[in-house]
Amino acid sequence: GENVEQHPSTLSVQEGDSAVIKCTYSDSASNYFPWYKQELGKGPQLIIDIRSNVGEKKDQRIAVTLNKTAKHFSLHITETQPEDSAVYFCAASMRGRDDKIIFGKGTRLHILP
Amino acid sequence: DSGVTQTPKHLITATGQRVTLRCSPRSGDLSVYWYQQSLDQGLQFLIQYYNGEERAKGNILERFSAQQFPDLHSELNLSSLELGDSALYFCASSVSQDYSYEQYFGPGTRLTVT
Repeated sequence: GENVEQHPSTLSVQEGDSAVIKCTYSDSASNYFPWYKQELGKGPQLIIDIRSNVGEKKDQRIAVTLNKTAKHFSLHITETQPEDSAVYFCAASMRGRDDKIIFGKGTRLHILP
Repeated sequence: DSGVTQTPKHLITATGQRVTLRCSPRSGDLSVYWYQQSLDQGLQFLIQYYNGEERAKGNILERFSAQQFPDLHSELNLSSLELGDSALYFCASSVSQDYSYEQYFGPGTRLTVT
């Protein structure tokens, strides 16, 4: 079945610097890759997603890149701010076949003042 | 506020007991998903319902069951509870049964089994 590996498990960056979180997946049939942000005491919230027919997507300070050949995708946060501190989850799913969504184990991002 | 409500917020119970967690999806959403979040396993997909019917199953134990009612709210039943069942349980809702639509997560129910 599908497996999603996420690295690193913890990441600390200085405020204003960039943060990169990487995920790999095992099933080449996966075609949808969302990223969720979970703040303390809350449920996860979708921040950006990418489909398999696109290589890169950007939304203000957040971008996601997808390399289908290597089966990995990454989240990039630029000009980090204190409110970016949270746990980030990547996920992979496929439509129409063995429908499931598999999440990575999460990355705890700390933005240092 | 995602528009998804879950009750109760906290639940403390003993091993061997049975509990029911409740979820009300966002208005208009037909899909409900249940997830278990523990420290060592991350976010695990349990089961999905769409418009009252079971749509997909993930890593759901046989001791666990769920249903979605005609008013679209859903319940997750956990029985013969074990210490290892202690976790945060989230429900999420989506307008579609397709996984490529955004899922809106509720605030979760924290279950502690003693």
